[in-house]
Amino acid sequence: EVQLVESGGGLVQPGSPLKLSCAASGFTFSSNWLNWIRQAPGKGLEWVASINPDGSSTYYPDTVKGRFVVSKDNAKNTGYLQMNNLRSEDTAMYYCARADYFDYWGQGVMVTVSS
Amino acid sequence: DIQLTQSPSSMSASLGDRVSLTCQSSQGIGNYLSWYQHKPGKPPKPMIYYATNLADGVPSRFSGSRSGSDYSLTISSLESEDTAIYYCLQYDEYPLTFGSGTKLEIK
Repeated sequence: EVQLVESGGGLVQPGSPLKLSCAASGFTFSSNWLNWIRQAPGKGLEWVASINPDGSSTYYPDTVKGRFVVSKDNAKNTGYLQMNNLRSEDTAMYYCARADYFDYWGQGVMVTVSS
Repeated sequence: DIQLTQSPSSMSASLGDRVSLTCQSSQGIGNYLSWYQHKPGKPPKPMIYYATNLADGVPSRFSGSRSGSDYSLTISSLESEDTAIYYCLQYDEYPLTFGSGTKLEIK
């Protein structure tokens, strides 16, 4: 059974860093793209980051480029989202999802940026 | 960036109705479009991928179609459990973009 489990969320102050993890099981992690998507309270879905199977290529929207870094450790079957210089507008539920069309999603983890 | 325009933004329909939701792309994206059903407190659920392919476990009353740059998600006979917000996603080019969603309710 394919599973993705996010962790690492919480309440942080503006300007702080936070690192999310996405533990994968039930499939060949090293052969799959990994993506991060978020949903701010009362808003729609927003794509945040993507990384290719071997981790050599990463992609971001302008809203997080230069602040967020996506990575994956294929030996540990785990993906990461390092978020730096967090802003209040980064407050959201963060999901990791597999493959180019997001065929499996984790349950999500909440990140709240507030002083 | 590719813009996806979903219409309507919200709608209500009766049980058993045939319902169609639309997603229009601002640029050509081929068939690189998927649909998701999102209910409160749960992660989005994939419904359709590559514009017309039914995702695993999705009831056959759901279908996807394409006409040029217009993409549709159709429910042939609406059931109560179909109440949700539906989003389209283009994954043809970066930045990946979602539509703003269609909120579907039961009358």
